Amino acid sequence: AQKVTQAQTEISVVEKEDVTLDCVYETRDTTYYLFWYKQPPSGELVFLIRRNSFDEQNEISGRYSWNFQKSTSSFNFTITASQVVDSAVYFCALVGGSQGNLIFGKGTKLSVKP
Amino acid sequence: EAQVTQNPRYLITVTGKKLTVTCSQNMNHEYMSWYRQDPGLGLRQIYYSMNVEVTDKGDVPEGYKVSRKEKRNFPLILESPSPNQTSLYFCASSLSGGGLAYEQYFGPGTRLTVT
Repeated sequence: AQKVTQAQTEISVVEKEDVTLDCVYETRDTTYYLFWYKQPPSGELVFLIRRNSFDEQNEISGRYSWNFQKSTSSFNFTITASQVVDSAVYFCALVGGSQGNLIFGKGTKLSVKP
Repeated sequence: EAQVTQNPRYLITVTGKKLTVTCSQNMNHEYMSWYRQDPGLGLRQIYYSMNVEVTDKGDVPEGYKVSRKEKRNFPLILESPSPNQTSLYFCASSLSGGGLAYEQYFGPGTRLTVT
């Protein structure tokens, strides 16, 4: 069975702090894909990143960075120098196998206070 | 503009009254899917479609129907809605399912309340 666990239900930080959102996944597939989505208070789901299981290079995009470690089945997301606009619910998700079905974690609600 | 559209955005209905939530994408995507989002449960897949005329159940299909007669449209049908189907619904599409697992693009959501 495939599963995505986001152990942090809610995180609150003060602006400019760095924050890391944890994501641990389970899958028996050797080929799989991991995603992060952002859901701001307005409710839409915004795609942030897609990573396949064969690419363990960390990625940085502006203030966002992702750390993929197959050895620990983790795909953590770090926001550097957080801003109020980063306040949102962040979902980690997994696609494994041939169906392309996205399995979501339950999300981490990030609140960034000024 | 490339997008996934859903209608209606908000709907309040009564138990047992059939309803349809429409979903349309203009990106020529093969894969489309429906999810429901509930507090504390994240997003769960209801149905998906790998291509026209091909649909299959997701994790929570009970009480829902779908059809995929055209590539761009993937309506969600609730034949006899019940209060436990009160939820926020998202339609999504991606270039293809399986294989390379492209990112999914989500519609704006439909907030359904069944009384």
